[in-house]
Amino acid sequence: DTGVSQDPRHKITKRGQNVTFRCDPISEHNRLYWYRQTLGQGPEFLTYFQNEAQLEKSRLLSDRFSAERPKGSFSTLEIQRTEQGDSAMYLCASSLFRNNEQFFGPGTRLTVL
Amino acid sequence: TQLLEQSPQFLSIQEGENLTVYCNSSSVFSSLQWYRQEPGEGPVLLVTVVTGGEVKKLKRLTFQFGDARKDSSLHITAAQPGDTGLYLCAGIVFVGANNLFFGTGTRLTVIP
Repeated sequence: DTGVSQDPRHKITKRGQNVTFRCDPISEHNRLYWYRQTLGQGPEFLTYFQNEAQLEKSRLLSDRFSAERPKGSFSTLEIQRTEQGDSAMYLCASSLFRNNEQFFGPGTRLTVL
Repeated sequence: TQLLEQSPQFLSIQEGENLTVYCNSSSVFSSLQWYRQEPGEGPVLLVTVVTGGEVKKLKRLTFQFGDARKDSSLHITAAQPGDTGLYLCAGIVFVGANNLFFGTGTRLTVIP
């Protein structure tokens, strides 16, 4: 399967803990995006990478959030000191450079207790 | 704040009926996409419309981009239970933009 994969699919954590999610994009895709989707809403953009460079961050991405794509392949999204408001589905997508067709992974559902 | 408003928010219909979902904005988009999302999965792209007034058909689904490129509609003919899901429109503000602005979503249930 050459689609976008995300790990883990589900994460339950206690408030104040740190969590890290991983995204493996489609191998030849240069661009990688992170979105957050809360219940009953459409996804909201968080950040995007072109190869290993993080080129844009939404104001939704507070300083507790950090994303990396160290070798221009997989990416990680870390949330420090989680809050209940962080509970959401975190979606990763990838696309070819200059091609706006984004392919989404299955998401990681985070629940903060 | 979401730039794109979808209506209706929820729709429950009988198998075989027709339906239309609307996606509206006060902003102009260079292109607009429609996705379908099933529970526990990521959105899957259905279509991209680029030109104002453009109509695209995908089997029983017909997509239209408004002349002013501010709105779009999705029409499903003879809905089937397999059409059940969350339908999302997503706009791209300008060519080469880095992110999609998603609508609020329409949750469709087709009852057998």
